[in-house]
Amino acid sequence: ETGVTQTPRHLVMGMTNKKSLKCEQHLGHNAMYWYKQSAKKPLELMFVYNFKEQTENNSVPSRFSPECPNSSHLFLHLHTLQPEDSALYLCASSQDVFSGGALHFGNGTRLTVT
Amino acid sequence: QQQVKQSPQSLIVQKGGISIINCAYENTAFDYFPWYQQFPGKGPALLIAIRPDVSEKKEGRFTISFNKSAKQFSLHIMDSQPGDSATYFCAARSQDYKLSFGAGTTVTVRA
Repeated sequence: ETGVTQTPRHLVMGMTNKKSLKCEQHLGHNAMYWYKQSAKKPLELMFVYNFKEQTENNSVPSRFSPECPNSSHLFLHLHTLQPEDSALYLCASSQDVFSGGALHFGNGTRLTVT
Repeated sequence: QQQVKQSPQSLIVQKGGISIINCAYENTAFDYFPWYQQFPGKGPALLIAIRPDVSEKKEGRFTISFNKSAKQFSLHIMDSQPGDSATYFCAARSQDYKLSFGAGTTVTVRA
């Protein structure tokens, strides 16, 4: 596989559930990102990892917890979510954070919180 | 506060026509201006980008025009094709290497 792969593609969860989103990149990049995409709104940066170290937490609520075990994998752990958290969650990668304008995105996980 | 304002929200163009999407920004420290294209069910993909020391960049049917003094930049899609129907996002990179995105423009090309 090439590029950035996200699983699952769709996720429906109740507000009391715990679930995780997974992202894997096969590009040899060293920076990985989580973005939230809501309809008619700009993409919102959530977290940035550079060489496995978190370099950005964009005031994201603690019910979202990222994990980056290595430069190829990124997870977003979800718990006690709210209905307003329903959105498309996009993972992206770049060579490093200094190449942050040239992002490679996955196809996203469509999250619905009921 | 939205750092990059994009317009229009949507547009419809006939096949062969020109699609024009505009973006405006306030932060003069932005140093890189990419455009991303997103098809339904897919993630955004980098389409074309420009740096502020250049006034125009062309790649095939896609052209970015950049007006530094007006703090505006635009994407022109020449000879628009049905396969160009997608949502387009402008963005701007700040000195901390983070991107600020516009809200997107949905382009529909009618055959």
